[in-house]
Amino acid sequence: GAVVSQHPSWVICKSGTSVKIECRSLDFQATTMFWYRQFPKQSLMLMATSNEGSKATYEQGVEKDKFLINHASLTLSTLTVTSAHPEDSSFYICSAPRPGDTEAFFGQGTRLTVV
Amino acid sequence: AQSVTQPDIHITVSEGASLELRCNYSYGATPYLFWYVQSPGQGLQLLLKYFSGDTLVQGIKGFEAEFKRSQSSFNLRKPSVHWSDAAEYFCAVGAKYNQGGKLIFGQGTELSVKP
Repeated sequence: GAVVSQHPSWVICKSGTSVKIECRSLDFQATTMFWYRQFPKQSLMLMATSNEGSKATYEQGVEKDKFLINHASLTLSTLTVTSAHPEDSSFYICSAPRPGDTEAFFGQGTRLTVV
Repeated sequence: AQSVTQPDIHITVSEGASLELRCNYSYGATPYLFWYVQSPGQGLQLLLKYFSGDTLVQGIKGFEAEFKRSQSSFNLRKPSVHWSDAAEYFCAVGAKYNQGGKLIFGQGTELSVKP
């Protein structure tokens, strides 16, 4: 079964509103989680590294004030898309490395549509 | 620069035929290499991974991949393709210390299967 759960699976919001996406590790503690973005028919691009108890590390070109990341517990990271615009419409997916494993587990992804 | 290149954007094979998807990488450190499959609108499923040892790795669904350091390649193969293999395939590279997190993905190869 899934070891990383992402919620919601899809969301439609109005332009100018904010949307929160949750990423939970279900049976392990994740001090680090990763957020990716995928435009239609394109590859996944790393947006940021979410660090439990500290600030997230953003990749070059990613607006930290627009994509707010909070990693308040060892099992939960949230990505908030603030003041969303249609160009923010995309597939957002998180991953979390499980201690002792050699792979990170991906959530199911969230399809965000801004209208 | 660190990068992953999948030269083939789209491949069509007949059901029962063999398959090879190409992946080349450029990475400064010792690479962890992964192949993922993504069905439309879905998350990522890990097919296989390489981090050390035998350069020929076996994965799920009858897939295998061979790591060739001299060619900086990690090509994915399957001897006999099934219609259910039609999907998008991503090659990815990461650092050992990130345990499969913070990945750099290739552009993806879309596989179509003819009956």
